[in-house]
Amino acid sequence: AQTVTQSQPEMSVQEAETVTLSCTYDTSESNYYLFWYKQPPSRQMILVIRQEAYKQQNATENRFSVNFQKAAKSFSLKISDSQLGDTAMYFCAFMKALAGSYQLTFGKGTKLSVIP
Amino acid sequence: DTEVTQTPKHLVMGMTNKKSLKCEQHMGHRAMYWYKQKAKKPPELMFVYSYEKLSINESVPSRFSPECPNSSLLNLHLHALQPEDSALYLCASSSPGLAGGDTQYFGPGTRLTVL
Repeated sequence: AQTVTQSQPEMSVQEAETVTLSCTYDTSESNYYLFWYKQPPSRQMILVIRQEAYKQQNATENRFSVNFQKAAKSFSLKISDSQLGDTAMYFCAFMKALAGSYQLTFGKGTKLSVIP
Repeated sequence: DTEVTQTPKHLVMGMTNKKSLKCEQHMGHRAMYWYKQKAKKPPELMFVYSYEKLSINESVPSRFSPECPNSSLLNLHLHALQPEDSALYLCASSSPGLAGGDTQYFGPGTRLTVL
């Protein structure tokens, strides 16, 4: 079974600064996907970024980037130029790359507060 | 367009009521999901429908009854719920088998309160 660990229950960052959220996972699979989702107080779970394990290049989406270390089973999220709208719960998630496999395994989440 | 819609946004029901939650997507996705999320916790998978057939049931009590009438629509029928069933119910969809199809897109959720 896969496990996903987010070791920072809460974090805060000043507006316009950079923050990194950590995520580690445990799996025996060699091919899989990793995701970061954010869930603002408005409740909707929004995809932030996606990484395929077979790709060595780290994924980037505008101000969001990941540091994917496959050997270390680490998948951290860096948010640059933090904005007030980035305040949310952030979940790291793992999915096996198997035909017919649909199950996301979530970490417990990191609550990020962006301070004006 | 990556929109999944859910109705109603809020629902309050008594333990003897029967109600239904509705989820809709028009992205042509062929897998749809129900999750339950308690406060300050990650979502927990309840059911998965793949090509309109139930493929995963995570040992959910029978008072929750899913239904997938067509590829765009997913319902969750509720009956004789308990107060501990109060939670945010999230629907998601994905398109397995296609490039990037592993990504699940979530709806805004229905906040359910059982009195």
